[in-house]
Amino acid sequence: DGGITQSPKYLFRKEGQNVTLSCEQNLNHDAMYWYRQDPGQGLRLIYYSQIVNDFQKGDIAEGYSVSREKKESFPLTVTSAQKNPTAFYLCASSARFTSTDTQYFGPGTRLTVL
Amino acid sequence: GQQVMQIPQYQHVQEGEDFTTYCNSSTTLSNIQWYKQRPGGHPVFLIQLVKSGEVKKQKRLTFQFGEAKKNSSLHITATQTTDVGTYFCELPEGGNNRKLIWGLGTSLAVNP
Repeated sequence: DGGITQSPKYLFRKEGQNVTLSCEQNLNHDAMYWYRQDPGQGLRLIYYSQIVNDFQKGDIAEGYSVSREKKESFPLTVTSAQKNPTAFYLCASSARFTSTDTQYFGPGTRLTVL
Repeated sequence: GQQVMQIPQYQHVQEGEDFTTYCNSSTTLSNIQWYKQRPGGHPVFLIQLVKSGEVKKQKRLTFQFGEAKKNSSLHITATQTTDVGTYFCELPEGGNNRKLIWGLGTSLAVNP
């Protein structure tokens, strides 16, 4: 069964702790993305990766870090430097990094920092 | 810079009424995509429009791309409770056909 998985679905952390969100895809897609969504808001791009071993900052990268050591995996670390980390985090992938390639989303991780 | 406006932000309809959301860009677009996100869910791809004046239909959903390729609309005929969710447009940023930007979405509520 092909698709994108994110884990966990819900995550609670204490303020000041780093936390890593998992994103795995078995679609053989080159491009992967991380978005943040706040209640009633649209999607804001955190980081994206066009190909394995490469990634670029999106619009709101401060306080976040990523790696792309394997094609199928694109984990996101929310660091203690992120001032307002509580949000819904969505991972997506597309066959290539172009505007005509459909993005496929994982189910998301709801992070709450207490 | 490029501006994208999606209107309305919210729409509340009675089941059976029609619904339309609009996505307007300040620049000419090469293409536009529409996604739907159910409450608590993740965005799901609906359609891609590429040609000027293009009209595509999916059952009760009709998608249009403007003649000038600066705007697009999604129209739902005779809404049902299953149509509830937020509808987003996604389009290329400026002259960059690789980086994408998202509209803020239109949230649709349907009264049964």
